[in-house]
Amino acid sequence: DSGVTQTPKHLITATGQRVTLRCSPRSGDLSVYWYQQSLDQGLQFLIQYYNGEERAKGNILERFSAQQFPDLHSELNLSSLELGDSALYFCASSLGRRTEAFFGQGTRLTVV
Amino acid sequence: KNEVEQSPQNLTAQEGEFITINCSYSVGISALHWLQQHPGGGIVSLFMLSSGKKKHGRLIATINIQEKHSSLHITASHPRDSAVYICAVRSDYGGSQGNLIFGKGTKLSVKP
Repeated sequence: DSGVTQTPKHLITATGQRVTLRCSPRSGDLSVYWYQQSLDQGLQFLIQYYNGEERAKGNILERFSAQQFPDLHSELNLSSLELGDSALYFCASSLGRRTEAFFGQGTRLTVV
Repeated sequence: KNEVEQSPQNLTAQEGEFITINCSYSVGISALHWLQQHPGGGIVSLFMLSSGKKKHGRLIATINIQEKHSSLHITASHPRDSAVYICAVRSDYGGSQGNLIFGKGTKLSVKP
């Protein structure tokens, strides 16, 4: 158990819908990272938050947004969903940028 | 060309064999990670390296910063080692801004 909790584990939704994925980092970790893993693209960095503030952005679509709350949990919001958004979404947390990151079990999103 | 290249893509071994997975990268890095992803999808962090060598049980990871190359070795392999092994680098240069850049993974299958 990495100490990083992601909910839900599985999510099936229709095209055009909006979903929210939730991540609780390890106790004490200030950084939260979101990654997308699709079959054709592999793992890709989406966005990073550090202590409530956005720190870096990767290949995140405009339809996607995220935030980190004062209790350090984070949510990734995906809207106007398309079939191609079907993927595993991972959250990871670390104490800082240069320390080891620990991954959650992922949320498997299926858009039908 | 990908910034992180792994070889081989697929590897089948007999139980007890010594296994080596290679990772080459083309960017300046501050750290390299080896990750393990089991068929269920969860990702486990195995090692974080910035120089030299680390050992944990039957797993050994080495890195050569000058040659931009890392290897993951598994001694006395076992069917439970069957998983996808992913190399990821943390670069503080350019667009990645300190976040992880992933290889496409090596799928290892160990036969009893």
